[in-house]
Amino acid sequence: QKEVEQDPGPLSVPEGAIVSLNCTYSNSAFQYFMWYRQYSRKGPELLMYTYSSGNKEDGRFTAQVDKSSKYISLFIRDSQPSDSATYLCAMSAEAGTYKYIFGTGTRLKVLA
Amino acid sequence: SQTIHQWPATLVQPVGSPLSLECTVEGTSNPNLYWYRQAAGRGLQLLFYSVGIGQISSEVPQNLSASRPQDRQFILSSKKLLLSDSGFYLCAWSLTPYQAFFGQGTRLTVV
Repeated sequence: QKEVEQDPGPLSVPEGAIVSLNCTYSNSAFQYFMWYRQYSRKGPELLMYTYSSGNKEDGRFTAQVDKSSKYISLFIRDSQPSDSATYLCAMSAEAGTYKYIFGTGTRLKVLA
Repeated sequence: SQTIHQWPATLVQPVGSPLSLECTVEGTSNPNLYWYRQAAGRGLQLLFYSVGIGQISSEVPQNLSASRPQDRQFILSSKKLLLSDSGFYLCAWSLTPYQAFFGQGTRLTVV
């Protein structure tokens, strides 16, 4: 079993739709949960992170972590064509050498 | 401000040839450094990470090696490339458990 599982998509939605992206994980030591956005042929960039369980909101983006279910989500409200990219979840444990374990990424296309 | 440089952006190499990819970080000291490989449909696979000069941890047994000769320099090498080494290689640095900063990547094609 992979440590982090993510549906690779692709996911196509109309402009203005609410997008839901999800990851599951198996390592209970993970404490930091991150979402990265990656445009084609570029390096990933951090969108937001959450520590432990709970929700975090940043503009149109909301991250949710449910540690009891080992399940994390990213919601994008009022999606825009500029949101079209690959979204990767990533996780790390609190202690140690900050090893980031990534999901496979979900390709999202927002249609104008 | 901190910046990360990774080069070259694109590389085409024949099977059996050597490889050297270099990554340098500016504007920070003693960062954790990482090499990832990204293949289609497989996400980012952690290859090596380093917490200090000369300290390298390998995550996946493979045809590659890494070195950190200076605090902000990280090198990925191979003596003889295989077709399966093709992919998108990304260097990253971090000082926290919640944010890694990535370079722009090197697209390696082994022919």
